[in-house]
Amino acid sequence: EAQVTQNPRYLITVTGKKLTVTCSQNMNHEYMSWYRQDPGLGLRQIYYSMNVEVTDKGDVPEGYKVSRKEKRNFPLILESPSPNQTSLYFCASSRLAGENYEQYFGPGTRLTVT
Amino acid sequence: AQKVTQAQTEISVVEKEDVTLDCVYETRDTTYYLFWYKQPPSGELVFLIRRNSFDEQNEISGRYSWNFQKSTSSFNFTITASQVVDSAVYFCALSEWYNQGGKLIFGQGTELSVKP
Repeated sequence: EAQVTQNPRYLITVTGKKLTVTCSQNMNHEYMSWYRQDPGLGLRQIYYSMNVEVTDKGDVPEGYKVSRKEKRNFPLILESPSPNQTSLYFCASSRLAGENYEQYFGPGTRLTVT
Repeated sequence: AQKVTQAQTEISVVEKEDVTLDCVYETRDTTYYLFWYKQPPSGELVFLIRRNSFDEQNEISGRYSWNFQKSTSSFNFTITASQVVDSAVYFCALSEWYNQGGKLIFGQGTELSVKP
């Protein structure tokens, strides 16, 4: 089954404690990205990657890091989480644009930073 | 600048009513994609439809229909004979060709509540 998986699904942590949210896709997609969802703001892109070892900032990259060492994995790293990073996070993957282009989203990770 | 506006923050209807969710977009690109996603209370994002900028045909899928009008930069979504299970947040999104179709620009979302 084609899917994007994220772990953990829920996480409560404290300010400053480094954490990683994993993302994996099994569709051999080139493009992967992270979004955060906040009330009234919709979803905003944090980082994206167009292929292995190629990553770039999205619209709200401050406080986050990513890596793309393998095509299937795209972890999101919060080196020193702060309360303003409390949010719902989605990982997404897709082929690069084409006739059947579609973004596949993971189930979401709800993060609370206290 | 690229932007998606969903002016309706919340809509409440009674079951079996028809409801239209509005979406207006801005883009400089001549080639782009438009999407609608549904987010039920469980939180996941459910893909509903993708349209590319060269295809202005309206689409119908069961009780769902979409009206794409480039002249007004709108991509509206209508649910006919709404049901309680349609209660969710609905997002309209835009992806521009020069982004190689990767980045989605989302509207703020419209929360639809369908009451029995």
